[in-house]
Amino acid sequence: DIVMTQSPDSLAVSLGERATINCKSSQTLLYSFDNKNYLAWYQQKPGQPPKLLIYWASTRESGVPDRFSGSGSGTDFTLTISSLQAEDVAVYYCLQYYSTPHSFGQGTKLEIK
Amino acid sequence: EVQLVQSGAEVKKPGESLKISCKGFGYSFTDYWIGWVRQMPGKGLEWMGIIYPGDSDTRYSPSFQGQVTISADESINTAYLQWSSLKASDTAMYYCARCPTGTLSPYYFDYWGQGTLVTVSS
Repeated sequence: DIVMTQSPDSLAVSLGERATINCKSSQTLLYSFDNKNYLAWYQQKPGQPPKLLIYWASTRESGVPDRFSGSGSGTDFTLTISSLQAEDVAVYYCLQYYSTPHSFGQGTKLEIK
Repeated sequence: EVQLVQSGAEVKKPGESLKISCKGFGYSFTDYWIGWVRQMPGKGLEWMGIIYPGDSDTRYSPSFQGQVTISADESINTAYLQWSSLKASDTAMYYCARCPTGTLSPYYFDYWGQGTLVTVSS
C-alpha cells in the first residue's frame, strides 16, 4: 500500500505571505498510461467535511481561488497558497488515488502567525 | 446540484450492530463510486473503502477489511456502511464521498456528505 507523508505537521504564516505544504508518496503517483499524477489536495475547516481544492496534482477545482496551486510529479508534491487569507486557516490533506486502497497524508494544520 | 445526504448521529453500546446511509442526489448514482472515510476525534482522514453501485465492485483498506461492510442499493441511490459488532474505538465521524471513475478504478473524492457521528459507549 502507498504511504503518504506530509510536512510540516503544522505551519504558521503571516497574512498575505506564502504558505507551502509538502506531500511525499512511498511510490510514484505518475501513471505512464496517461502521464497524470494521481494526487489531490483537500482543505478541512473545523466542523466541516473536507473540500476538494486540487486534483491531478495541479488542476484547480472549479470555484477554488487562484491563490491555491498544486505542483510536483512522481513522488513529491506541493500545495502553495500564494497570499494567505484569514479564511485559509484549516487542516490540509493530500490524497493518492493511484491505487486502492487510496490513502491520505496525516494532515497539515495551517494557522495565522 | 450534486448532494450526498447522510443519516443522523448514532449512539450505540459496544457489541451492537449499526448501518448508516448516504443518499445521492443530482447525478447518476450508478456512474460514480461512493467511498467512506473515517475521522476519529481530533485526528486525520482515513480511507476505509469504496463501492461502484453500477456493478457492486467493492474495495476495502486492509485496516477495515472484515471490520465493516460497504454496500449500495441503486434503486434508491443509497450507499451504506455497517458494523456487526461495534467497539468503543469505532467512535468517530464517518463521511461518504463521491468519486468519479476512471478505467476500472476510482479517482479522487469530489463531493462529500455532511458526516455521521457515531458514538460507541457503555
